[in-house]
Amino acid sequence: KNQVEQSPQSLIILEGKNCTLQCNYTVSPFSNLRWYKQDTGRGPVSLTIMTFSENTKSNGRYTATLDADTKQSSLHITASQLSDSASYICVVSGYNTDKLIFGTGTRLQVFP
Amino acid sequence: DTGVSQDPRHKITKRGQNVTFRCDPISEHNRLYWYRQTLGQGPEFLTYFQNEAQLEKSRLLSDRFSAERPKGSFSTLEIQRTEQGDSAMYLCASSFAGQNTGELFFGEGSRLTVL
Repeated sequence: KNQVEQSPQSLIILEGKNCTLQCNYTVSPFSNLRWYKQDTGRGPVSLTIMTFSENTKSNGRYTATLDADTKQSSLHITASQLSDSASYICVVSGYNTDKLIFGTGTRLQVFP
Repeated sequence: DTGVSQDPRHKITKRGQNVTFRCDPISEHNRLYWYRQTLGQGPEFLTYFQNEAQLEKSRLLSDRFSAERPKGSFSTLEIQRTEQGDSAMYLCASSFAGQNTGELFFGEGSRLTVL
């Protein structure tokens, strides 16, 4: 069964600290992996999209890594800000399919 | 604003009533998706369109749910005889897709509360 699992479920950090969120998936064959940021009560916003040939991709203070062999991805947030408080959702797409498999997200809270 | 827009943003209704949500995608996007999201969960796929054709419907989409995209532009999602379990955020997303799903752009969602 195609699944996407994220950890931790929730995370609390202090402003200015770094953190790393994990995503493991079983989707095969694999096409691409996306990370979205979702503020409370808002729609998800895309952070990165990576294909199987990409190992890392950055978007400002967000850096995503992908290991297609172990089917793992991480999202690293550097020098966190209060505005980073949100849910971060990992989404995986299979090859030659229109179906996107969503993880349940990691809820990040950044405190001053 | 040229993003995906959804209307209404919030809807409170009594059990048994019908509700309709509208989604206007980004104009050049050929694909339109509907998702449902409950608190603490990721979005769950409901259905999607390529142009005006509805290509897939989830088993989550009971016969009380119907979606249309009559001219391949905006879409509506109607829920008939609402139940309390229908309370959720209904998200619309659009993309321009060739062989695979392109980058997905989400709207702000329509939050439904069924009393």
